[in-house]
Amino acid sequence: LAKTTQPISMDSYEGQEVNITCSHNNIATNDYITWYQQFPSQGPRFIIQGYKTKVTNEVASLFIPADRKSSTLSLPRVSLSDTAVYYCLVEDRGSTLGRLYFGRGTQLTVWP
Amino acid sequence: NAGVTQTPKFQVLKTGQSMTLQCAQDMNHEYMSWYRQDPGMGLRLIHYSVGAGITDQGEVPNGYNVSRSTTEDFPLRLLSAAPSQTSVYFCASSSREELGYTFGSGTRLTVV
Repeated sequence: LAKTTQPISMDSYEGQEVNITCSHNNIATNDYITWYQQFPSQGPRFIIQGYKTKVTNEVASLFIPADRKSSTLSLPRVSLSDTAVYYCLVEDRGSTLGRLYFGRGTQLTVWP
Repeated sequence: NAGVTQTPKFQVLKTGQSMTLQCAQDMNHEYMSWYRQDPGMGLRLIHYSVGAGITDQGEVPNGYNVSRSTTEDFPLRLLSAAPSQTSVYFCASSSREELGYTFGSGTRLTVV
């Protein structure tokens, strides 16, 4: 399983764009990159998933370079309510279906 | 409301007691899994299931049992509770057609 490395914490101010980078040097051909958000006392919530290039939804964008050894989650114009832990995961949607492997995540704190 | 329901939300056990954490989903998902989360840590996989009648161990299975007799339910049994099992437990479900997993709101377990 490809391990991920991401910053332990980040700070931002309201209205700024936040980019959280995740490293996954050993990513395999069948692996997808997935990001989850977790608020205190809640279960993680799926944000976005991608395989290569760029994926955008109503919440975030995910940028994946051609070598796929890293990815960047971009949150546009963050607000106080975006303060949470963000997890980057690498999922093999073939052989490891049914389970997820989490790292420690990135604690994002948004200040007024 | 569709989703993953976990009961109870809070539980205090004495060392050596047994109990069952309940998890139910109404989305007809074939994949279900259990995680524990300790302070400042990411989630760790305990057991998972890819369908009714099929279960397998995750990263930290010792002290826990599971069964999957129906698609909807995936209970987690603590055989003989230990203080080291004090944690927050999350259940999640998904399917091959889904991009992400849906998590329950968690069970906070304290073993004294």
